[in-house]
Formats: sequence, structure tokens, C-alpha cells
Amino acid sequence: DTGVSQDPRHKITKRGQNVTFRCDPISEHNRLYWYRQTLGQGPEFLTYFQNEAQLEKSRLLSDRFSAERPKGSFSTLEIQRTEQGDSAMYLCASRQGANEKLFFGSGTQLSVL
Amino acid sequence: QKEVEQNSGPLSVPEGAIASLNCTYSDRVSQSFFWYRQYSGKSPELIMSIYSNGDKEDGRFTAQLNKASQYVSLLIRDSQPSDSATYLCAVSNSGGSNYKLTFGKGTLLTVNP
Repeated sequence: DTGVSQDPRHKITKRGQNVTFRCDPISEHNRLYWYRQTLGQGPEFLTYFQNEAQLEKSRLLSDRFSAERPKGSFSTLEIQRTEQGDSAMYLCASRQGANEKLFFGSGTQLSVL
Repeated sequence: QKEVEQNSGPLSVPEGAIASLNCTYSDRVSQSFFWYRQYSGKSPELIMSIYSNGDKEDGRFTAQLNKASQYVSLLIRDSQPSDSATYLCAVSNSGGSNYKLTFGKGTLLTVNP
């Protein structure tokens, strides 16, 4: 257990529904990342927060995706109008300041039927 | 586009042998390099980091970096069946403020008893 918590661990939804995932980083970590991983691929960067500010978003993050980190602590990732192509493992990771070591949570496995 | 390339494998070695995993990267300004281990259905776990040319040893693991050749490798000595996992090479663009890791697709290692 790295100390990064994600909820839920698994989510099954029907196409067109909205889903929201939560990430609680290690408490002293001010930097938080969302990655997406599909079978046979490495994690792909989605977005990055420093404290409550969202500093970068990948082109992978379409308009249906939104992420927040309202008080610089936990973060949420929402996917609206889910599509089958959204099925993946959504990974949250955090790190502290200049320390480049990134710690991952257990992930949320999304299945869109 | 910044890329990290790994042989997807599978790489199969007998128990007790040395497993050699390789990675190349395209972005010459990359400064920090990491190896993550990922068991099936689990999240990536950091096992090694390396920042300067040469070798870095930690227990049975040795990371090697050659920035001129844009090449990173991981050696696992005395391989054990518990080492069977996917090994992800990750590269950071830590020269910029929006630090993030770019991952390769991973190499699946199988250690046979």
C-alpha cells in the first residue's frame, strides 16, 4: 500500500452514463496526477495538479473528461457520456515537491458496456 | 512526440538467471529515469530510479543509464518466480515545471521455476 487511495476499485457502467472517481493522495503530497492504462499499454498521462491548480491536460482528455482538486487534497475525475473506448484502468499518483518519485494508487477499473 | 520504447516480450528466464530489460527514449532533454514493476491487475510500483550515466545497484536490481545512446536498462540477478511481472520504463521531462512521466508499454517477464 503506497498511501494513495482510489475509490471505487471497480466500476461497471452503461454507455452514455456519467461516472466519477475519487483519489486521496499521500497527505503531504502537493502534486497529483491522473493516468489511464489499457491492456498491454503503459500508463498514459491525463492531467496534473499542483495543489488545487490544474496545470496541464493531455490531448487524450476530451471535453467529456473533467478533473478537480478543490482544496488541494483529494481529487475527482468525472467522465460524462461514457463510451466503450473509455474502458480502462484509471490511475492516480502523487508526489511531494521536487521529489520525482511518483506513487500510484491501486486504480479504478472502468468497464463501459 | 516523446516516446519510450520497450520490447513487449514476453521475456522468459529460468529461476536464478539474470533478466535483462531494455528501454530507449527519444527526448534528449530527459533527465530522470525510472523502472516500475506491475503485477497483473495491480498498479505500478517504483523499484529503481537513476539520474546519471552509469550503473546503480539496489539489492538484486541494477539500473544502467547511457544518455548519449538514450538507453536505459534494468538487470535482475538471481531471478525469482516472484519477479514475474511487467516492467515499465518511465522517463521524466524534469527540466520543465510541469513534470510528468512518460511510460513505455512494458516488458512482460516470466521467471520459470
